[in-house]
Amino acid sequence: GAVVSQHPSRVICKSGTSVKIECRSLDFQATTMFWYRQFPKQSLMLMATSNEGSKATYEQGVEKDKFLINHASLTLSTLTVTSAHPEDSSFYICSASVSGQGYEQYFGPGTRLTVT
Amino acid sequence: QKEVEQNSGPLSVPEGAIASLNCTYSDRGSQSFFWYRQYSGKSPELIMSIYSNGDKEDGRFTAQLNKASQYVSLLIRDSQPSDSATYLCAVNGNSGGSNYKLTFGKGTLLTMNP
Repeated sequence: GAVVSQHPSRVICKSGTSVKIECRSLDFQATTMFWYRQFPKQSLMLMATSNEGSKATYEQGVEKDKFLINHASLTLSTLTVTSAHPEDSSFYICSASVSGQGYEQYFGPGTRLTVT
Repeated sequence: QKEVEQNSGPLSVPEGAIASLNCTYSDRGSQSFFWYRQYSGKSPELIMSIYSNGDKEDGRFTAQLNKASQYVSLLIRDSQPSDSATYLCAVNGNSGGSNYKLTFGKGTLLTMNP
């Protein structure tokens, strides 16, 4: 149980284009979904928190107009990196949590984005 | 500012021995505590959760929580080469009606001595 998928697993795009990453909870309904970014050999950095049907809450320093988050249902959240630049190249990981279970977070396998 | 502290390591343990990973946290109101394992290039995987003082065992893993000392640890018995990874301690504050974000430590790198 508690499986989270992400698609795509790897994407290469040109500078200036936009990329959409999907995160799905496959066998449970997620109260909340989270989006993280991780640079090589660095810690996880929380970018934003999203609840189904409401606007995402972004962490300080994360540009909400650049990283668009849509949480359309209890099993699907998307992150769109708009006008991507090489410095946006990173490992993007989503997680999903369920209330009533100590708010354990289950992570997707991640999406490796490379912007050329 | 909520903080979770871990020794970055690397912690080198002989194969078959017990690995002991430690974590301290600053928010005394924290309610939930988690250990994640992250292999290089992969996403974190939840391996243990603990909510009350004492020990919790699951297979070769034992989590220990001491809220008075604001301390949580993970013991791995009979360490195997597959245990070589970075172990992340995470704490959930469960305060103020927030979205129950996790605060992560920077992780401890565990490696096996052959």
